[in-house]
Amino acid sequence: SQQGEEDPQALSIQEGENATMNCSYKTSINNLQWYRQNSGRGLVHLILIRSNEREKHSGRLRVTLDTSKKSSSLLITASRAADTASYFCATDYQGGSEKLVFGKGMKLTVNP
Amino acid sequence: DAGITQSPRHKVTETGTPVTLRCHQTENHRYMYWYRQDPGHGLRLIHYSYGVKDTDKGEVSDGYSVSRSKTEDFLLTLESATSSQTSVYFCAISNPGGGTDTQYFGPGTRLTVL
Repeated sequence: SQQGEEDPQALSIQEGENATMNCSYKTSINNLQWYRQNSGRGLVHLILIRSNEREKHSGRLRVTLDTSKKSSSLLITASRAADTASYFCATDYQGGSEKLVFGKGMKLTVNP
Repeated sequence: DAGITQSPRHKVTETGTPVTLRCHQTENHRYMYWYRQDPGHGLRLIHYSYGVKDTDKGEVSDGYSVSRSKTEDFLLTLESATSSQTSVYFCAISNPGGGTDTQYFGPGTRLTVL
């Protein structure tokens, strides 16, 4: 069963705006990752945040992790049309570090 | 991009026929994974491998088998394909550190079972 769940399931914004996506998960984790998937392509890793980290940045991406609430958020600043894609969070389990469990994903549309 | 290829990229087959999908990597990564992606379900793990001849089941392994005789190749076999196995299949590999690190994905195989 899915460990992570993204929210909202779909988001449509204008170019230049910020996009925030949330992920909630059920059990304790070692790390949480965010991936992007362009239509018809494989997933591409964006960022990994470990359970002892609270915030991480990579370019226009900012990820936060709140282990007490079992949630994470991905912020994309100054969005571009090229950011249009599906975004997935993925978590492991503290007791099972060899596998990642992916959420169902959310669709971001950035309108030019 | 990580050196991962999948073959075939597209396949149409009939119910009851055997199908084998191949994942090939040039990165010498220890871990390899097979996922299926379906609308409304996201990405689900079928099987994974943590070394040559070392494999384990994932969330949706029924009806699938895998083999890994070489580090670079991970095969997914549908012994007798069913319409419920129509899906997009992705292979992934991960860093030598194991499954908790970044996974790199192949381009996918679109399988249609009629």
